[in-house]
Amino acid sequence: RKEVEQDPGPFNVPEGATVAFNCTYSNSASQSFFWYRQDCRKEPKLLMSVYSSGNEDGRFTAQLNRASQYISLLIRDSKLSDSATYLCVVNRNNKLIFGAGTRLAVHP
Amino acid sequence: DAGITQSPRHKVTETGTPVTLRCHQTENHRYMYWYRQDPGHGLRLIHYSYGVKDTDKGEVSDGYSVSRSKTEDFLLTLESATSSQTSVYFCAISQDRVGTGELFFGEGSRLTVL
Repeated sequence: RKEVEQDPGPFNVPEGATVAFNCTYSNSASQSFFWYRQDCRKEPKLLMSVYSSGNEDGRFTAQLNRASQYISLLIRDSKLSDSATYLCVVNRNNKLIFGAGTRLAVHP
Repeated sequence: DAGITQSPRHKVTETGTPVTLRCHQTENHRYMYWYRQDPGHGLRLIHYSYGVKDTDKGEVSDGYSVSRSKTEDFLLTLESATSSQTSVYFCAISQDRVGTGELFFGEGSRLTVL
């Protein structure tokens, strides 16, 4: 079993839709959590950190549920430019463990 | 964008040949990392460096070696390439140890081993 699991998708949604991705992690000692975004054939870039109380950055909301060991990312009012792969990342003992990513395709 | 340059960006080589990938940064960040990315897998850490001549193994280090003789350069060497090392290799840098999660990645080097 992988330490960080994500649904690979793709999630195909129309512009303006709300879409949510979940990610589960297996090691309860994980300390901090992040979402990265990776465009096709490009490098990953940090999208946002995930805090215990939940946090929002514009149209993006991240939530953490430590008891159930999952992290979520909600995107509201999807744009064509949101099409990308979203990587769930967990920090365990100062090592980043990357999920394989969830692909999002936003269509007109 | 962070100043990270990887070279070569694309390489095709044959099984058994040595290959060196170079990562060059202009940010003066202390930490440098080499990852590989394969379909169905997340990015996996090969080796990392926490200073000049200071390196350590990651989770998939077998068949790879690294060197860091200057702050700005981190080299990844495949001593004898195998087809299982066909992958996209990303260099990354960070100012602090990984805890903040802020890694800056290079554009990647696509390696094909025939």
